[in-house]
Amino acid sequence: DVKVTQSSRYLVKRTGEKVFLECVQDMDHENMFWYRQDPGLGLRLIYFSYDVKMKEKGDIPEGYSVSREKKERFSLILESASTNQTSMYLCASSSPMRDREKLFFGSGTQLSVL
Amino acid sequence: SQELEQSPQSLIVQEGKNLTINCTSSKTLYGLYWYKQKYGEGLIFLMMLQKGGEEKSHEKITAKLDEKKQQSSLHITASQPSHAGIYLCGAGPYNNNDMRFGAGTRLTVKP
Repeated sequence: DVKVTQSSRYLVKRTGEKVFLECVQDMDHENMFWYRQDPGLGLRLIYFSYDVKMKEKGDIPEGYSVSREKKERFSLILESASTNQTSMYLCASSSPMRDREKLFFGSGTQLSVL
Repeated sequence: SQELEQSPQSLIVQEGKNLTINCTSSKTLYGLYWYKQKYGEGLIFLMMLQKGGEEKSHEKITAKLDEKKQQSSLHITASQPSHAGIYLCGAGPYNNNDMRFGAGTRLTVKP
């Protein structure tokens, strides 16, 4: 089974802190994604990556950056956390060659910025 | 703005009742995906529909994609408490393989 692991289930940070959210997948997937999920807004795409060192902006990239130095790991960085970044963050991966656009999700990180 | 509209936003049903969730797109869909999310957790893939008129079933859940490939419905027969959660439709690919999602439908099943 594909496993997508997010480093933390719950995280509490202070305004202005630099925050790293880590995601690791073990199925050699080419694509990796970061979404945030907010009530009434559903999942919104922040960034995605279709290859090592490649990244593409999603719908709401402002205030975020990403890093993909290795194929299995995709990190989301909040350069200076703000209260409006309090949200559930979901990482996902996929392999267009094997599974088409079927996404495999991690369990999520609930981030609270105080 | 949401490219996929889901309705209803929330649904409360008595155990044993049938229910339907809808997902509508203003664009023709290349592929339509249904996911289920248990509260506070990640999403689990349910079904994928690609052809106009296609229908798939998994246990008591049936999903259909209309002929124009712009609307999908998810139907649950004889609902159980285990069906409770958030159901999201997703579609893609858009640019460079990214997926977009509807806002979700929160389903509560009362025993």
